Amino acid sequence: DQQVKQNSPSLSVQEGRISILNCDYTNSMFDYFLWYKKYPAEGPTFLISISSIKDKNEDGRFTVFLNKSAKHLSLHIVPSQPGDSAVYFCAASAPSNTGKLIFGQGTTLQVKP
Amino acid sequence: ETGVTQTPRHLVMGMTNKKSLKCEQHLGHNAMYWYKQSAKKPLELMFVYSLEERVENNSVPSRFSPECPNSSHLFLHLHTLQPEDSALYLCASSQATKQPQHFGDGTRLSIL
Repeated sequence: DQQVKQNSPSLSVQEGRISILNCDYTNSMFDYFLWYKKYPAEGPTFLISISSIKDKNEDGRFTVFLNKSAKHLSLHIVPSQPGDSAVYFCAASAPSNTGKLIFGQGTTLQVKP
Repeated sequence: ETGVTQTPRHLVMGMTNKKSLKCEQHLGHNAMYWYKQSAKKPLELMFVYSLEERVENNSVPSRFSPECPNSSHLFLHLHTLQPEDSALYLCASSQATKQPQHFGDGTRLSIL
């Protein structure tokens, strides 16, 4: 049973527009959420995180929104750039202190010039 | 050199071989992790070490044996693997277990 789901395998957006990547989770005990970006032949790169006590966190062009009642988080990228084309993973942290992250399957974003 | 470095980047081995994957972090972090990514599956946590002590073993078969001799180095010893163990193995580190994890570029493992 997958606890973190990214239901859109791919997304295509025009350069300069907004990219919205979505993630749903099932475990209401998750207390920390992260977004990672991955280029081919490289490891995932940390982008932005949010604690369950917040509903929004912003860092430059990246904003993460958390809706706890819907068990849903989203990553907004604005404006989107061709260099943002990559696979994006959301991850959730279990409430234990071991640092265990549960990852979604990933969404491939393509930003067209 | 900074970041998380994994060697080798690619490894092909037979089912009866013994090999080891190496991870080194130059970030001064106290926690290190092994993940497995199989084709078309999410990243799956295997092991967590915090301050050189194993704090998580995510039901990993005993043919995978981790070792953390110090806070900068992490090994994954492989023995008698199966073809389904072919995957990308990623190492990560973090300042503490509730901090963002920083990943290496992984070792692509193929079992013949």
